[in-house]
Amino acid sequence: AQKVTQAQTEISVVEKEDVTLDCVYETRDTTYYLFWYKQPPSGELVFLIRRNSFDEQNEISGRYSWNFQKSTSSFNFTITASQVVDSAVYFCALSSSGSARQLTFGSGTQLTVLP
Amino acid sequence: DGGITQSPKYLFRKEGQNVTLSCEQNLNHDAMYWYRQDPGQGLRLIYYSQIVNDFQKGDIAEGYSVSREKKESFPLTVTSAQKNPTAFYLCASSDRVLSYNEQFFGPGTRLTVL
Repeated sequence: AQKVTQAQTEISVVEKEDVTLDCVYETRDTTYYLFWYKQPPSGELVFLIRRNSFDEQNEISGRYSWNFQKSTSSFNFTITASQVVDSAVYFCALSSSGSARQLTFGSGTQLTVLP
Repeated sequence: DGGITQSPKYLFRKEGQNVTLSCEQNLNHDAMYWYRQDPGQGLRLIYYSQIVNDFQKGDIAEGYSVSREKKESFPLTVTSAQKNPTAFYLCASSDRVLSYNEQFFGPGTRLTVL
């Protein structure tokens, strides 16, 4: 069985602050992928990033960065200089061969960026 | 524009009635999925389909049924057997189900059973 834990249910920050969303996962497979999705108030999930288990390089895309650490089974997401438009629910998800490559989602973190 | 459409956006039904949620994609994806989202929870898989005329149960299939008669369409029926059908339903598609490709999501249908 696999599991994704997002311990932070809700986070509020003031615009321009940096914020990190935590994601901890569990899987027995050695080959797996991790994903982050953003769900704005409109409801549609937007794909942000996919990372495979063999690539622990951190990734940066504009104000977004991701820190993947296999040693702690974590895949954290940082938004630098947050903006009001970043307000959304963010989901971490895991897919592995042992689960027929189905996506297992965390419960999500509601991020609110205040002006 | 390529994407996934779901209709209607909001749906109200009386208890005991079956209701069908529509999902259409023009991404030429083989795989399609239905998820249910409850407040404060992640997405849970209801059904998925790898190919036309084939579909598999997900984690919470009881009380739901699907069909896949066309590649681009994957409607979900919420039957009267579903004990607590009020939820937000999301449809998704991906290039193939047996891969690690990202899934693309539709805008969702919010179902309220009165």
